[in-house]
Amino acid sequence: RKEVEQDPGPFNVPEGATVAFNCTYSNSASQSFFWYRQDCRKEPKLLMSVYSSGNEDGRFTAQLNRASQYISLLIRDSKLSDSATYLCVVILTGGGNKLTFGTGTQLKVEL
Amino acid sequence: DGGITQSPKYLFRKEGQNVTLSCEQNLNHDAMYWYRQDPGQGLRLIYYSQIVNDFQKGDIAEGYSVSREKKESFPLTVTSAQKNPTAFYLCASSSIAGGRNEQFFGPGTRLTVL
Repeated sequence: RKEVEQDPGPFNVPEGATVAFNCTYSNSASQSFFWYRQDCRKEPKLLMSVYSSGNEDGRFTAQLNRASQYISLLIRDSKLSDSATYLCVVILTGGGNKLTFGTGTQLKVEL
Repeated sequence: DGGITQSPKYLFRKEGQNVTLSCEQNLNHDAMYWYRQDPGQGLRLIYYSQIVNDFQKGDIAEGYSVSREKKESFPLTVTSAQKNPTAFYLCASSSIAGGRNEQFFGPGTRLTVL
């Protein structure tokens, strides 16, 4: 089983739609969680951290479910510019702050 | 401007040659990391360093070497021993203090072995 698993997609959605991605992680000792966004042939950029209580940043909402070991990302009112690959990232505390990446979920927002 | 720079953006190398990729940051971050990304795979950690003059192997260190002589710099050498070096190489840095752990990436270097 992979340490971090994501549905690769692609998710093709119309502009204005709401789309949700899930990500599961295998190590229950994982302590820090993030969503990164990666555009084609570019570096990953931090989208948001994921906190236990859930957090929202504009159209983006991230949630953590420790019991089921998954995190989610919800994008509301999707824009063409949201088209990218979304990477789920987990850090195991005490492991030298090493990030473990999922393979990413590709989102395509269409007119 | 604060940030992480990597050079060159594109690099072509003949088989059997060593090549060094540059990574510099002016964010005053303590920790620096090297990853490689291959199509259809997540980023994989090559080496990381949390303090000057110290570094640790990541998950795929074979065929690579690093140095950390200055806080700002963490160059990666891809040696001829690396069997499949063609990939997208990404450098990242983070501040260890405060427990935030977010890593920030440079623009990457695309290495192609001919």
